[in-house]
Parts: sequence; C-alpha cells; structure tokens
Amino acid sequence: KQEVTQIPAALSVPEGENLVLNCSFTDSAIYNLQWFRQDPGKGLTSLLLIQSSQREQTSGRLNASLDKSSGRSTLYIAASQPGDSATYLCAVRFTGGGNKLTFGTGTQLKVEL
Amino acid sequence: GAGVSQSPRYKVAKRGQDVALRCDPISGHVSLFWYQQALGQGPEFLTYFQNEAQLDKSGLPSDRFFAERPEGSVSTLKIQRTQQEDSAVYLCASTGSGRMNTGELFFGEGSRLTVL
Repeated sequence: KQEVTQIPAALSVPEGENLVLNCSFTDSAIYNLQWFRQDPGKGLTSLLLIQSSQREQTSGRLNASLDKSSGRSTLYIAASQPGDSATYLCAVRFTGGGNKLTFGTGTQLKVEL
Repeated sequence: GAGVSQSPRYKVAKRGQDVALRCDPISGHVSLFWYQQALGQGPEFLTYFQNEAQLDKSGLPSDRFFAERPEGSVSTLKIQRTQQEDSAVYLCASTGSGRMNTGELFFGEGSRLTVL
C-alpha cells in the first residue's frame, strides 16, 4: 500500500530556530511531492512542489528536498517566526496511483516568542 | 475566479438529511478533486474529475456519496442520509492541464460538515 508518514506529529520551537520537518513514503515511484501549510479552520496553501526529477526546491525561508531512492523528503524552515505556526502536510502523487495525492497526517508546528 | 471557491463554509445537518457541497475551481482548470479531512488527520482522496468525466471515484466511502461536474466547471458533492461519521471538512482542489502544467494542486477553504 502506498503510504505517507510524517514525523514528528507535533513540534514546538523558540523563535529564530532553524527546523526540519520529515516526510517518508513507501514507494519510490512518484510523479511529484508537494508540501502544504494548513492554518486552523482553513484550507491548504501550497508551499513547494518537487517533481520526481528534482532534488530540491526553495522559496524564501523554505527549502524542500527529495530523495526518491530512500523515500524521504524534508522541509527546512530557516529562522522560524511565530507566523510560521501551522500544520505542515506532505503529499505524494504516486506513479500508478492515478492523479490523486496521498497525504501524511501532518506536523503541527508552534513557534514560540 | 482567482482561487478555488467552496460553499457553504459551514453546514450543520441532522442525521438522515441530505447535503450538497459546491466547488468552483480556478478558471480553466480541467482537473478537480474532492478530499475528506477528519479532525487531526490528513486529507483522504474521494474522487477526481477531468472536465466533466469522473475518472476515479475509488475513495467515495459509500453509495451515499455522489459527485458530479456536468459542465466541466463547477462540481457538487452530495451526501445522502448523512451519518455522524460523515462529519469532516470536505476539501476541493483543482489543477490545470497541458505541457506547462506542473501538477500543482490548489485547494479551497473547505466545507465543514457537522452531523448531529
């Protein structure tokens, strides 16, 4: 079964700290991987999309890496701010899985003053 | 429109009632997805449309769930005879097509359904 796992489920860090969120997936045959942010009671905001041929993508203070062979992706957040507090979701489009994304359960991040 | 629009944002239904949730995707996006998100969980795939064709409905949990997109734009997710376990946020997403499409999915704000 094609599954996506995110560790840790929750994370609390002081403001200014650099942090890494982890995502693992069970099948290396993927089209792409997408990281989302979800604020309480809101929909999903796309942060970064990595195609299967890419190793990483960067947007501002965010950097996402992809290692297909080991079934892992990381989201690196530099110089965290209280406004970064949210749930971060990793989603994978598996080859042979149709066009749907398979989501992890997310990492709930709290950045404290 | 500028983004994916969903309505209603909140719906409270008594058990046994039928509900209809609407999604208006980004203009020109041919692919439309419905997801269900239970509290504290990641979204789970329900169904997928390409234009008006429903190409994958493998995630629909029962025959009480029905989705349509008759003109290839707006979509409606209908839940008949609602049960308490149907309480969740229903998310709609869309993506474009063609050679320049990256496959990036854009989500709406969701419709939160509470079944009493």
